[in-house]
Amino acid sequence: EVQLVQSGAEVKKPGESLRIFCKASGYSFTSDRISWVRQMPGKGLEWMGRIDPIDSSTDYSPSFQGHVTISADRSTSTAYLQWSSLKASDTGIYYCARQWARDGYYPHFDYWGQGALVTVSS
Amino acid sequence: QSVLTQPPSASGTPGQRVTISCSGSSSNIGSHYVYWYQQVPGTAPKLLIYRDDQRPSGVPDRFSGSKSGTSASLAISGLRSEDEADYYCAAWDDSLSESVFGPGTKVTVL
Repeated sequence: EVQLVQSGAEVKKPGESLRIFCKASGYSFTSDRISWVRQMPGKGLEWMGRIDPIDSSTDYSPSFQGHVTISADRSTSTAYLQWSSLKASDTGIYYCARQWARDGYYPHFDYWGQGALVTVSS
Repeated sequence: QSVLTQPPSASGTPGQRVTISCSGSSSNIGSHYVYWYQQVPGTAPKLLIYRDDQRPSGVPDRFSGSKSGTSASLAISGLRSEDEADYYCAAWDDSLSESVFGPGTKVTVL
């Protein structure tokens, strides 16, 4: 059974750093990409970027480029999303999702993590 | 402001058919597949339709997708109380070089 299990809720202050994880199981981690999707409180879904675990190549939405970093560890089948300096506007739920490789760059997200709530407040 | 447009809400009584539209342009829906997601409040999104009109295993055939030109639609027939959720369309956009989601449509079962 394919599963994406994410880290728990985090409460941080502006300017702090954070790394959240998404641990995959039930399939070959290198066979599909992992994307990250943000949902701000009461708002819709926003694609942030993706990583191809086979070579750790990444693509970012221009809206998030330079503010977050996506990485992966093949040895533990885990993808990461990290911030070096959080802002209050980063508050939201962050989902990881498996991006079906056969549809290339298309938003075909067939399995999702449970979401990680990140709250940034002074 | 999304490049995909959806109505903010839709509603129907149990058993009715509800249709949700998703309007885009030649740089997204007009050139690429459309995907639909269902998000029940407090839970992660779930893939409902892929490649315009294909249902993943386990998705009831009450859900169907279609596309014409630069618009797509999701239809829910035989509406049930458990269908009450937010529905999002998504597509790749050539101009933005990224995947984009519509703003979402909240479906209420009256």
